[in-house]
Amino acid sequence: ETGVTQSPTHLIKTRGQQVTLRCSSQSGHNTVSWYQQALGQGPQFIFQYYREEENGRGNFPPRFSGLQFPNYSSELNVNALELDDSALYLCASSFVGPNIYEQYFGPGTRLTVT
Amino acid sequence: AQSVTQLGSHVSVSEGALVLLRCNYSSSVPPYLFWYVQYPNQGLQLLLKYTTGATLVKGINGFEAEFKKSETSFHLTKPSAHMSDAAEYFCAVRKTSYDKVIFGPGTSLSVIP
Repeated sequence: ETGVTQSPTHLIKTRGQQVTLRCSSQSGHNTVSWYQQALGQGPQFIFQYYREEENGRGNFPPRFSGLQFPNYSSELNVNALELDDSALYLCASSFVGPNIYEQYFGPGTRLTVT
Repeated sequence: AQSVTQLGSHVSVSEGALVLLRCNYSSSVPPYLFWYVQYPNQGLQLLLKYTTGATLVKGINGFEAEFKKSETSFHLTKPSAHMSDAAEYFCAVRKTSYDKVIFGPGTSLSVIP
C-alpha cells in the first residue's frame, strides 16, 4: 500500500465526452504526476503539479488539463474524448526535494472510450 | 532527450532459474535509475533505485540491479525465480529529483513451474 488512492477504478465514456479522474496523494507529499499507460506500453508522462502549479508537461494536447488542491489531492480532466484516450491513468505522488527521488503510484483508473 | 530501452518485451524463465531483465538508457547526464513492477490490474511498485554511490543496488523481493555507466545499462537480476515474480517490469530514468520520470516499454516476465 502506497497511501495513494485513485477514483473511480473503472470508467466507460463515449467519444466526445469529458471525464474527470481523481487522485489523493500520500500524506506530506507536495507533488503529483499523472501518467497515461496504454495497453502493452510503459507509462507516458502527462504533467506534474508542484504546490498547485503545473511545472512540467509531456507531449499531450491542451484538452488534457489538471488541478492540484491545497490538500494536495489532484484531478485530471480530459475533454473531447477520443478512442485513443482509452488507457490506464496513473497518478504518482512524491515529496520533491534534494536527494528524494521516489514516486509512489496509485492503483490507476481504467478509462475506456467507446 | 532521455530514453529507455528494454530488450525483450517478453521473458520466460523456469522456477528457480536466474532472472535477467535488460535495460539501457540514453542520457546526457548521469541519471537516476529505477525498476518498477506492475502486477495485473495494479499500479506500479518501486523495486529498487540507483541515485549515487554503490553501483550494485539491492531491492525488494530478492532483486538487484547494477549501474554500468560505460555500457549505459541498468539490468535487473534475481538468482532464483519464484512463481510470484510473474509480472510486468519497467525500467525508468529521471534526470533530477524534480524532473519527470521516463519509462521504458516494459518486459513481461513469465515463470514456468
